[in-house]
Amino acid sequence: ELKVEQNPLFLSMQEGKNYTIYCNYSTTSDRLYWYRQDPGKSLESLFVLLSNGAVKQEGRLMASLDTKARLSTLHITAAVHDLSATYFCAVDNNDMRFGAGTRLTVKP
Amino acid sequence: EPEVTQTPSHQVTQMGQEVILRCVPISNHLYFYWYRQILGQKVEFLVSFYNNEISEKSEIFDDQFSVERPDGSNFTLKIRSTKLEDSAMYFCAILPKTSLNTEAFFGQGTRLTVV
Repeated sequence: ELKVEQNPLFLSMQEGKNYTIYCNYSTTSDRLYWYRQDPGKSLESLFVLLSNGAVKQEGRLMASLDTKARLSTLHITAAVHDLSATYFCAVDNNDMRFGAGTRLTVKP
Repeated sequence: EPEVTQTPSHQVTQMGQEVILRCVPISNHLYFYWYRQILGQKVEFLVSFYNNEISEKSEIFDDQFSVERPDGSNFTLKIRSTKLEDSAMYFCAILPKTSLNTEAFFGQGTRLTVV
């Protein structure tokens, strides 16, 4: 069974700082997603990564994928309060399994 | 316009009763998924559908659960004899058929409360 591990599970950052969230998965996959979830809301798609070495950026968030290491990262640059949310990675092997999520809090 | 519409948004049911959660994808889709999320916890995979058949199902998706496509468009998740621990948000998601280079879109969810 595909297993997806995220770390850290909780992250408290100061505004303006940089940090990286890690996502490891156990079996080969050709598709990895990053989602954002605000409290009480559904999941909002951030990135889809399809190939080794893929890098995508949107605003202060940048995601990358290393399929050989089975590792994806979500890098946060110069964090702002609006980025406070829970971030999930998900790996798709016909059954799209999610990591446990990283609850990010950005403090002024 | 959302890609996926779920109904109801909130359902309260008595323990032991059956519930049916509905999901209507707007566009043609390749894969269809059901997930559940207990409050504040991880998003748990239940089942995936491909070509009108169950493609994968998790250990959570036991005989208490079933999925149907009653009229060729919408999907239903039926939970028989609900238990208190079935209380959670249930999300459906689709992977659009137009392109594989895209993300899966989630519905807004149904909050199920078993009392």
